[in-house]
Amino acid sequence: GENVEQHPSTLSVQEGDSAVIKCTYSDSASNYFPWYKQELGKRPQLIIDIRSNVGEKKDQRIAVTLNKTAKHFSLHITETQPEDSAVYFCAASTRGYQKVTFGIGTKLQVIP
Amino acid sequence: EPEVTQTPSHQVTQMGQEVILRCVPISNHLYFYWYRQILGQKVEFLVSFYNNEISEKSEIFDDQFSVERPDGSNFTLKIRSTKLEDSAMYFCASRSLGYGYTFGSGTRLTVV
Repeated sequence: GENVEQHPSTLSVQEGDSAVIKCTYSDSASNYFPWYKQELGKRPQLIIDIRSNVGEKKDQRIAVTLNKTAKHFSLHITETQPEDSAVYFCAASTRGYQKVTFGIGTKLQVIP
Repeated sequence: EPEVTQTPSHQVTQMGQEVILRCVPISNHLYFYWYRQILGQKVEFLVSFYNNEISEKSEIFDDQFSVERPDGSNFTLKIRSTKLEDSAMYFCASRSLGYGYTFGSGTRLTVV
Protein backbone atom coordinates (compact mmCIF):
# COMPACT_ATOMS: atom_id res chain seq x y z
CA GLY A 1 0.00 0.00 0.00
CA GLU A 2 0.88 3.65 -0.12
CA ASN A 3 3.41 5.04 2.35
CA VAL A 4 3.85 8.77 2.83
CA GLU A 5 6.94 10.12 4.56
CA GLN A 6 6.95 13.70 5.82
CA HIS A 7 9.64 15.93 7.27
CA PRO A 8 10.49 17.80 9.32
CA SER A 9 8.32 16.73 12.23
CA THR A 10 8.67 20.17 13.83
CA LEU A 11 9.55 23.50 12.29
CA SER A 12 10.01 26.88 13.92
CA VAL A 13 10.28 30.02 11.83
CA GLN A 14 10.27 33.73 12.52
CA GLU A 15 7.22 35.65 11.45
CA GLY A 16 7.66 36.77 7.86
CA ASP A 17 10.04 33.97 6.94
CA SER A 18 9.17 31.08 4.64
CA ALA A 19 8.40 27.52 5.70
CA VAL A 20 8.90 24.41 3.59
CA ILE A 21 7.55 20.96 4.35
CA LYS A 22 8.55 17.98 2.23
CA CYS A 23 6.86 14.65 1.57
CA THR A 24 7.59 11.54 -0.42
CA TYR A 25 5.22 8.79 -1.47
CA SER A 26 5.72 5.23 -2.59
CA ASP A 27 2.81 4.30 -4.86
CA SER A 28 3.31 5.50 -8.42
CA ALA A 29 -0.45 5.17 -8.97
CA SER A 30 -1.14 8.04 -6.55
CA ASN A 31 -2.22 11.10 -8.45
CA TYR A 32 -3.83 13.39 -5.91
CA PHE A 33 -1.89 15.15 -3.16
CA PRO A 34 -3.81 17.23 -0.64
CA TRP A 35 -2.38 19.22 2.24
CA TYR A 36 -4.28 19.63 5.47
CA LYS A 37 -3.91 22.09 8.32
CA GLN A 38 -4.99 20.95 11.76
CA GLU A 39 -5.28 23.34 14.65
CA LEU A 40 -5.24 21.92 18.15
CA GLY A 41 -8.34 19.85 18.86
CA LYS A 42 -9.90 20.55 15.49
CA ARG A 43 -10.52 18.66 12.28
CA PRO A 44 -8.01 18.53 9.42
CA GLN A 45 -8.89 21.20 6.90
CA LEU A 46 -7.86 21.09 3.28
CA ILE A 47 -5.69 24.09 2.45
CA ILE A 48 -4.43 23.20 -1.00
CA ASP A 49 -4.14 20.19 -3.26
CA ILE A 50 -2.38 19.23 -6.44
CA ARG A 51 -3.02 16.60 -9.08
CA SER A 52 -0.43 14.65 -10.95
CA ASN A 53 -0.92 16.48 -14.24
CA VAL A 54 0.27 19.71 -12.60
CA GLY A 55 3.77 20.47 -11.34
CA GLU A 56 3.01 23.51 -9.22
CA LYS A 57 0.01 25.28 -7.77
CA LYS A 58 -0.19 28.52 -5.84
CA ASP A 59 -2.87 30.10 -3.67
CA GLN A 60 -1.84 33.42 -2.16
CA ARG A 61 0.96 32.67 0.33
CA ILE A 62 0.77 28.90 -0.12
CA ALA A 63 2.27 26.88 -2.95
CA VAL A 64 2.73 23.20 -3.62
CA THR A 65 5.14 21.53 -5.98
CA LEU A 66 5.07 17.98 -7.26
CA ASN A 67 7.81 15.90 -8.82
CA LYS A 68 6.20 12.67 -10.03
CA THR A 69 9.45 11.20 -11.26
CA ALA A 70 11.04 11.50 -7.85
CA LYS A 71 7.74 10.88 -6.04
CA HIS A 72 8.00 13.90 -3.84
CA PHE A 73 5.92 16.97 -3.18
CA SER A 74 6.36 20.03 -1.03
CA LEU A 75 4.38 22.76 0.68
CA HIS A 76 5.75 26.28 0.73
CA ILE A 77 4.34 28.99 2.95
CA THR A 78 5.70 32.47 2.40
CA GLU A 79 5.47 35.51 4.69
CA THR A 80 4.44 33.31 7.60
CA GLN A 81 2.11 34.71 10.24
CA PRO A 82 1.40 33.52 13.80
CA GLU A 83 -1.97 32.14 12.66
CA ASP A 84 -0.12 29.75 10.37
CA SER A 85 0.99 27.89 13.50
CA ALA A 86 -0.61 24.43 13.34
CA VAL A 87 0.13 20.85 12.35
CA TYR A 88 0.32 20.32 8.61
CA PHE A 89 -0.28 16.93 7.03
CA CYS A 90 0.57 15.91 3.52
CA ALA A 91 -1.38 13.07 1.97
CA ALA A 92 -1.63 10.98 -1.17
CA SER A 93 -4.52 9.28 -2.90
CA THR A 94 -5.76 7.98 -6.20
CA ARG A 95 -8.96 9.13 -7.78
CA GLY A 96 -12.27 7.50 -7.18
CA TYR A 97 -13.11 6.25 -3.75
CA GLN A 98 -9.61 5.34 -2.66
CA LYS A 99 -8.46 6.24 0.81
CA VAL A 100 -6.15 9.13 1.57
CA THR A 101 -2.86 8.15 3.21
CA PHE A 102 -1.46 10.79 5.54
CA GLY A 103 2.06 11.70 6.48
CA ILE A 104 3.10 11.93 10.12
CA GLY A 105 2.51 15.68 10.28
CA THR A 106 4.70 18.74 10.76
CA LYS A 107 4.15 21.00 13.74
CA LEU A 108 4.81 24.51 12.49
CA GLN A 109 5.44 27.26 14.99
CA VAL A 110 5.62 30.83 13.76
CA ILE A 111 7.38 33.03 16.29
CA PRO A 112 6.13 36.63 16.40
CA GLU B 1 -20.77 25.59 3.13
CA PRO B 2 -21.98 22.00 3.62
CA GLU B 3 -20.55 20.20 6.63
CA VAL B 4 -20.04 16.67 7.85
CA THR B 5 -21.63 16.42 11.28
CA GLN B 6 -20.44 14.05 13.99
CA THR B 7 -22.00 13.17 17.33
CA PRO B 8 -21.18 13.02 20.12
CA SER B 9 -18.20 15.36 20.27
CA HIS B 10 -16.83 13.49 23.27
CA GLN B 11 -17.64 10.02 24.54
CA VAL B 12 -16.27 8.38 27.67
CA THR B 13 -16.83 4.66 27.98
CA GLN B 14 -15.67 1.81 30.15
CA MET B 15 -13.39 -0.82 28.72
CA GLY B 16 -15.40 -3.68 27.23
CA GLN B 17 -18.44 -1.54 26.48
CA GLU B 18 -19.87 -0.98 23.02
CA VAL B 19 -19.88 2.48 21.49
CA ILE B 20 -21.52 3.87 18.39
CA LEU B 21 -20.13 6.96 16.77
CA ARG B 22 -22.45 8.80 14.43
CA CYS B 23 -21.86 10.85 11.33
CA VAL B 24 -24.08 12.68 8.89
CA PRO B 25 -22.14 13.08 5.63
CA ILE B 26 -22.78 15.78 3.08
CA SER B 27 -26.00 14.87 1.33
CA ASN B 28 -24.79 14.45 -2.26
CA HIS B 29 -21.56 12.68 -1.37
CA LEU B 30 -21.16 9.06 -2.34
CA TYR B 31 -18.08 7.84 -0.51
CA PHE B 32 -17.73 7.68 3.24
CA TYR B 33 -14.78 7.07 5.50
CA TRP B 34 -13.72 6.69 9.08
CA TYR B 35 -10.28 7.75 10.24
CA ARG B 36 -8.80 7.89 13.69
CA GLN B 37 -6.07 9.98 15.27
CA ILE B 38 -4.41 8.95 18.48
CA LEU B 39 -3.33 12.04 20.40
CA GLY B 40 -0.28 13.62 18.82
CA GLN B 41 -0.07 11.10 16.00
CA LYS B 42 -1.04 11.02 12.37
CA VAL B 43 -4.48 10.48 10.93
CA GLU B 44 -4.97 6.78 10.18
CA PHE B 45 -7.41 5.24 7.73
CA LEU B 46 -9.92 2.76 9.15
CA VAL B 47 -12.53 2.03 6.50
CA SER B 48 -14.15 3.29 3.33
CA PHE B 49 -17.77 2.70 2.37
CA TYR B 50 -19.46 3.01 -0.99
CA ASN B 51 -22.73 1.76 -2.41
CA ASN B 52 -23.76 0.34 0.96
CA GLU B 53 -20.73 -1.83 1.43
CA ILE B 54 -17.18 -1.65 2.68
CA SER B 55 -14.81 -0.92 -0.19
CA GLU B 56 -11.58 -1.02 1.76
CA LYS B 57 -10.48 -1.48 5.36
CA SER B 58 -7.20 -1.23 7.19
CA GLU B 59 -5.63 -3.79 9.50
CA ILE B 60 -6.82 -1.64 12.40
CA PHE B 61 -10.42 -2.32 11.39
CA ASP B 62 -10.73 -5.77 12.91
CA ASP B 63 -13.79 -7.77 13.96
CA GLN B 64 -14.45 -5.35 16.82
CA PHE B 65 -15.37 -2.65 14.33
CA SER B 66 -18.34 -2.36 12.04
CA VAL B 67 -19.93 0.36 9.94
CA GLU B 68 -23.48 0.96 8.83
CA ARG B 69 -25.52 3.40 6.84
CA PRO B 70 -28.87 2.51 8.36
CA ASP B 71 -31.17 5.14 6.92
CA GLY B 72 -29.57 6.79 3.94
CA SER B 73 -28.26 9.75 5.90
CA ASN B 74 -26.42 8.53 9.00
CA PHE B 75 -23.12 6.68 8.80
CA THR B 76 -22.10 4.92 12.00
CA LEU B 77 -18.99 3.30 13.39
CA LYS B 78 -19.52 0.69 16.08
CA ILE B 79 -16.82 -0.65 18.36
CA ARG B 80 -18.17 -3.77 20.03
CA SER B 81 -15.87 -4.19 23.01
CA THR B 82 -13.72 -1.14 23.55
CA LYS B 83 -10.10 -1.38 24.62
CA LEU B 84 -7.92 1.28 26.23
CA GLU B 85 -5.98 1.61 22.97
CA ASP B 86 -9.17 2.58 21.13
CA SER B 87 -8.96 5.97 22.83
CA ALA B 88 -8.53 8.45 19.99
CA MET B 89 -10.21 11.12 17.95
CA TYR B 90 -12.42 9.53 15.31
CA PHE B 91 -13.09 11.51 12.16
CA CYS B 92 -15.76 10.79 9.62
CA ALA B 93 -15.22 12.06 6.08
CA SER B 94 -17.13 12.08 2.85
CA ARG B 95 -16.39 12.94 -0.73
CA SER B 96 -18.20 13.25 -4.03
CA LEU B 97 -17.05 11.94 -7.40
CA GLY B 98 -14.20 14.43 -7.39
CA TYR B 99 -11.17 14.38 -5.19
CA GLY B 100 -11.82 16.53 -2.18
CA TYR B 101 -12.51 15.13 1.24
CA THR B 102 -14.56 16.91 3.84
CA PHE B 103 -13.86 15.88 7.42
CA GLY B 104 -16.27 16.10 10.30
CA SER B 105 -15.30 17.80 13.55
CA GLY B 106 -14.54 14.47 15.19
CA THR B 107 -15.57 12.43 18.22
CA ARG B 108 -13.06 12.16 21.02
CA LEU B 109 -13.39 8.66 22.44
CA THR B 110 -11.92 8.03 25.88
CA VAL B 111 -11.89 4.45 27.13
CA VAL B 112 -11.35 4.12 30.89
